[in-house]
Amino acid sequence: GAVVSQHPSWVICKSGTSVKIECRSLDFQATTMFWYRQFPKQSLMLMATSNEGSKATYEQGVEKDKFLINHASLTLSTLTVTSAHPEDSSFYICSASRTAQETQYFGPGTRLLVL
Amino acid sequence: GQQLNQSPQSMFIQEGEDVSMNCTSSSIFNTWLWYKQDPGEGPVLLIALYKAGELTSNGRLTAQFGITRKDSFLNISASIPSDVGIYFCAGQGTASKLTFGTGTRLQVTL
Repeated sequence: GAVVSQHPSWVICKSGTSVKIECRSLDFQATTMFWYRQFPKQSLMLMATSNEGSKATYEQGVEKDKFLINHASLTLSTLTVTSAHPEDSSFYICSASRTAQETQYFGPGTRLLVL
Repeated sequence: GQQLNQSPQSMFIQEGEDVSMNCTSSSIFNTWLWYKQDPGEGPVLLIALYKAGELTSNGRLTAQFGITRKDSFLNISASIPSDVGIYFCAGQGTASKLTFGTGTRLQVTL
């Protein structure tokens, strides 16, 4: 159990366009989902925490108007990168947990390339 | 954001050797976790530690939660080729957020 999926697994888009990434908990209900970003050869950096039915909490330095997060159901959270630029190219990884304090299960990641 | 310091940064070892890596922090954490990440994939949880001083094993892996709650180590015994990957430690405080280490890249030679 505790499987998390992401879609798409990779995406290429033009600069200025918006891209939506989905994160789903397949066999459990997740009240909390987390979004991370990982640049090449670097560690995972938390971008934001989302709780089902409420607004996401963003980490310092992450623009909430640029990275829109929606957690409308207990099995789905979405991250929309608005007006993407080449510097937004990265590996975006989500994680989900049944409650905020429980184990986080990670998705397989989405590689975004902005041209 | 904050990162935890992991060492070594990378290591080449021969198949069959034991591996040791550690993670240190300037902050106290309530939970220490160790993950493995393969290229192009998300991290997979290996071991979770919940109490200071706790020593936990998972097959060939052994990890310990430091007494000071500011460090942890991971040992891999009798390494095999599929152990190749990047190992990350992560600390979890009173909030639910995870702070990840800088990673240790493990490469195994036959």
